[in-house]
Parts: sequence; C-alpha cells; structure tokens
Amino acid sequence: DIVMTQSPDSLAVSLGERATIYCKSSQSVLYRSDKKNYLAWYQQKPGQPPKLLIYWASTRESGVPERVSGSGSGTDFSLTISSLQAEDVAVYYCQQYYSTPHTFGQGTRLEIK
Amino acid sequence: QVQLVESGGGVVQPGRSLRLSCVASGFTFSSYGMHWVRQAPGKGLEWVAVISYDGSEKYYADSVKGRFTISRDNSKNTLDLQMNSLRLEDTAVYYCAKPDGARTVLDAFNMWGQGTMVSVSS
Repeated sequence: DIVMTQSPDSLAVSLGERATIYCKSSQSVLYRSDKKNYLAWYQQKPGQPPKLLIYWASTRESGVPERVSGSGSGTDFSLTISSLQAEDVAVYYCQQYYSTPHTFGQGTRLEIK
Repeated sequence: QVQLVESGGGVVQPGRSLRLSCVASGFTFSSYGMHWVRQAPGKGLEWVAVISYDGSEKYYADSVKGRFTISRDNSKNTLDLQMNSLRLEDTAVYYCAKPDGARTVLDAFNMWGQGTMVSVSS
C-alpha cells in the first residue's frame, strides 16, 4: 500500500499570509504512460463531507479560488493558499488514486494565528 | 444537480451486520465507478472499497476485506455496502463518493454524500 504522510499536522497562519501544506508518498504516484500525478487535495470543514480542491496534483477544481494551488511530482507535493482567508480554516487531506487502496494522508489542521 | 444520499446507518452490536445504501441522482450512475470512504469520530479519512462502473471489479481495504461487500444496482442508481462481523473499530461516518472520470476507478472524488453514521457498541 502507498503511505501518504502530511506535514505539519497543524498550522496557524495570519490572515492574508501564505499557508503551505506538504504531502509525501511512499512511492511515486506519477504514471509514466500519461505523465500525470495521481494526487488530489481535499478540504473538510466540521460537520461536512470533504470537498475536492486539486486533482492531478495541480489542476484546480471548478469554483476553487485561484489563491489555492497545488504543485509537486513523483513523491513530493504541496498545497499552497497564497493569502489566507477566514473561510480557509479547515482540515486538509492529500490522497493518492494511483492504486488501490486509495490512501489518504493523516490530515493537516489549518487555523488562524 | 449531482447528488448522493446515504442511508442505513445506526447502532449495532459487535459481530452483527448492517447494510448501507447510497442513492445517486443527476448523473449517469452506470458510467461511474463508486467508492465508500469512512471517518471515525475525530479521525482522518479511510478509503474502504470501490466498485467499477459495471460491477465487474471490486477492491477493498485490508481492514474490511472478507467482512464487507460492495455492490451496485445500475437500474436503481444505488450503491450498497454490506457490513458483516462488525467491530468496535468500524464505528465511523460512511461516505459514498463519485470519481470525476467515467469508467475508471483511478480518479479523484469530485462528489461526496453527506454520510451516514455507524456506531458499533455493546
């Protein structure tokens, strides 16, 4: 199974500042045939199901603000919120869908400093 | 609009069974593989199982293999999860989730239901 490890476990950032969350996979999730990274990022707020933010490691889902971006390839990835807003307070998860089981990272709690 | 609605959760004793259902609407259900994902209280997300669009392929997490069975009825737009020999550690909110791409099990989940709570307790 591919193990997904996020860092940090929690993060406090001031409003308007940059927040970056990291995700590392135990093996590459880059498919050679289509050169795509099978990596997604989700946001989850209390009492709600997760919401897809980023897929193929860097493609923003429709409706997701431009301040949210994803990058990385192979085994190392990051999610960046360029200017933190109050509505960004949530838990963020990375997930690989390269192979089953489609494992998630343990989550990163993002708060306002 | 695209909607997934889970049902069937409840309180059950260890060792007993429970069947969850997910009714889909707003998209061509028979063209999409479907997943179950669970979340224990205060914990992270755990992928549980997937079934291909036509039901021919099924994959499970090791933690539920041999106890849970995923199935679907494309004529009724429903996805089911039969859970047998339930354990305390199966207590969680269970979500059904739809992948973005059709006819593949390798894709991100762009739609989730609201979840149904399963509590395993003696």
